[in-house]
Amino acid sequence: ETGVTQSPTHLIKTRGQQVTLRCSSQSGHNTVSWYQQALGQGPQFIFQYYREEENGRGNFPPRFSGLQFPNYSSELNVNALELDDSALYLCASSTGGSGNTIYFGEGSWLTVV
Amino acid sequence: SQQGEEDPQALSIQEGENATMNCSYKTSINNLQWYRQNSGRGLVHLILIRSNEREKHSGRLRVTLDTSKKSSSLLITASRAADTASYFCATAPFSGGYNKLIFGAGTRLAVHP
Repeated sequence: ETGVTQSPTHLIKTRGQQVTLRCSSQSGHNTVSWYQQALGQGPQFIFQYYREEENGRGNFPPRFSGLQFPNYSSELNVNALELDDSALYLCASSTGGSGNTIYFGEGSWLTVV
Repeated sequence: SQQGEEDPQALSIQEGENATMNCSYKTSINNLQWYRQNSGRGLVHLILIRSNEREKHSGRLRVTLDTSKKSSSLLITASRAADTASYFCATAPFSGGYNKLIFGAGTRLAVHP
């Protein structure tokens, strides 16, 4: 148990639709980040939020956006879904600053048809 | 792009044998973390080793880090069927000032009873 919870576990969307994934971080962790993991590959960093502000972003287009709330929970929103967005989306939490252990949730499986 | 490269891509051993997985990376790092992932599930944190450390142990796990060669290894001793999973190394680069991890494609370990 990492203390990081994600919902939903699985979902299916149609190309062009929008999706919102949710994450509750481990108690005391003020930093949340999101990763995309395609089948058979390692996770890729999407972005990170610290104190409700995005403070780092990977190579993902603007249709990937997020929010962090005052209780440090977070959302990942993806607009105009494409077939290649089908993947496992992982949320991770940690305390602020670099060099700390990062804990992951169980992920949300998104299938785009 | 992914920085870490795990070697081998797949490893098959018998219960009781040791399993060694290697990881190479390209840029200077703050720390390196190893994770385990059971099929289709989230990432479980195993060990974090900082750039000024050379070796760390946790139970049956031993991790080494050679920053001059930009490489790390994970040794699992006396393996069990329950160790069957994918193993990822993830590097935290110095640049960015945030908790971004860069993953390799992972090593798929199969431990046969």
